[in-house]
Amino acid sequence: QQKVQQSPESLSVPEGGMASLNCTSSDRNFQYFWWYRQHSGEGPKALMSIFSDGDKKEGRFTAHLNKASLHVSLHIRDSQPSDSALYFCAARASSGSWQLIFGSGTQLTVMP
Amino acid sequence: AQTIHQWPVAEIKAVGSPLSLGCTIKGKSSPNLYWYWQATGGTLQQLFYSITVGQVESVVQLNLSASRPKDDQFILSTEKLLLSHSGFYLCAWSLAGEQYFGPGTRLTVL
Repeated sequence: QQKVQQSPESLSVPEGGMASLNCTSSDRNFQYFWWYRQHSGEGPKALMSIFSDGDKKEGRFTAHLNKASLHVSLHIRDSQPSDSALYFCAARASSGSWQLIFGSGTQLTVMP
Repeated sequence: AQTIHQWPVAEIKAVGSPLSLGCTIKGKSSPNLYWYWQATGGTLQQLFYSITVGQVESVVQLNLSASRPKDDQFILSTEKLLLSHSGFYLCAWSLAGEQYFGPGTRLTVL
């Protein structure tokens, strides 16, 4: 079983709408989380990190972490066609760990 | 500023032929380096990581090998390609846990 699971697999939202992506970890050792975005044909780029319980907002993007339930979410408000991409949740265990575990990804399509 | 470069951009190779993919990082001394494989639209599967020159650890066995001949260079290779090697290969370096990816190499094995 994959240690980091994402839902939904794909998501379509209208331009200007809200997109909500979810990520659940099955390993309580994971303490640090990132959201990455990958446009077709490119390498992934980190959108934001979240290490503490609660919300973290960066522009149109808000991440939420609940360590008790091992749940991370990403909310994109005022979605733009340029937000259409593959989104990955990634998790790391301790501060000394070298390995980043990626989820299966959510394909977001923003319709003009 | 750090830059990461991968070569070639794309390759089309025959089953059974050899392969060598390269990655160079500039502007970062002694980075941790990683190789990932990605099927089209799929997740990122870590293949190898390297903490220092000459030292490479394998994460999964896919009939591939990796080497780090220089501090800023990471090489992925195989002597005999399989159809299952097709995909997108990504090199990355890390700082404080966050990983920074290169532009990738698209490999098609026929």
